[in-house]
Amino acid sequence: DTAVSQTPKYLVTQMGNDKSIKCEQNLGHDTMYWYKQDSKKFLKIMFSYNNKELIINETVPNRFSPKSPDKAHLNLHINSLELGDSAVYFCASSQGEGYNYEQYFGPGTRLTVT
Amino acid sequence: AQSVTQLGSHVSVSEGALVLLRCNYSSSVPPYLFWYVQYPNQGLQLLLKYTSAATLVKGINGFEAEFKKSETSFHLTKPSAHMSDAAEYFCAVSDGGATNKLIFGTGTLLAVQP
Repeated sequence: DTAVSQTPKYLVTQMGNDKSIKCEQNLGHDTMYWYKQDSKKFLKIMFSYNNKELIINETVPNRFSPKSPDKAHLNLHINSLELGDSAVYFCASSQGEGYNYEQYFGPGTRLTVT
Repeated sequence: AQSVTQLGSHVSVSEGALVLLRCNYSSSVPPYLFWYVQYPNQGLQLLLKYTSAATLVKGINGFEAEFKKSETSFHLTKPSAHMSDAAEYFCAVSDGGATNKLIFGTGTLLAVQP
């Protein structure tokens, strides 16, 4: 029973393409997140949604657009992919918004842009 | 703004030896501090967290960390390393705000030698 799942696990694509990464959590959590981990393992938050509402939107190019069709899903769509988008993208979820709520991470999606 | 600095990107210990991973934080407000572990090709898992209760925090897998305000530190320790502890460890800080935004350090890769 995977708590936070992501598809696909690996994604290889060419520059200029549009791609999506899907995330689903079966924990009944209200809050979901997207993080980007670069080649040096640096992890940075991109977006956060609570009950389908955007609450964190870091300085991310507007080529990145999160979409939350329901509380259990938070998808990440990326337009016009660039080489610098190559990274591992992690989805996470937590029961609530506050610091006291543990974030549960998915296994990651390794995106390679050629 | 909050930040964390992890000293030592790579730490190598012998099996059975003490593990010490260093984390220093910077925060303009009382911080909430976390240690996460990332096993190869997996997502992050919470080891422990400090949320202004006891300064010595015990986590999973025998790890603990001590919050020292005077030293702005939150070092992670384990008395006796196991081979299974080999992983990447991330220190993170939250401003305790409503958004549960985590700021991660750059990670420390722990190697355990037989």
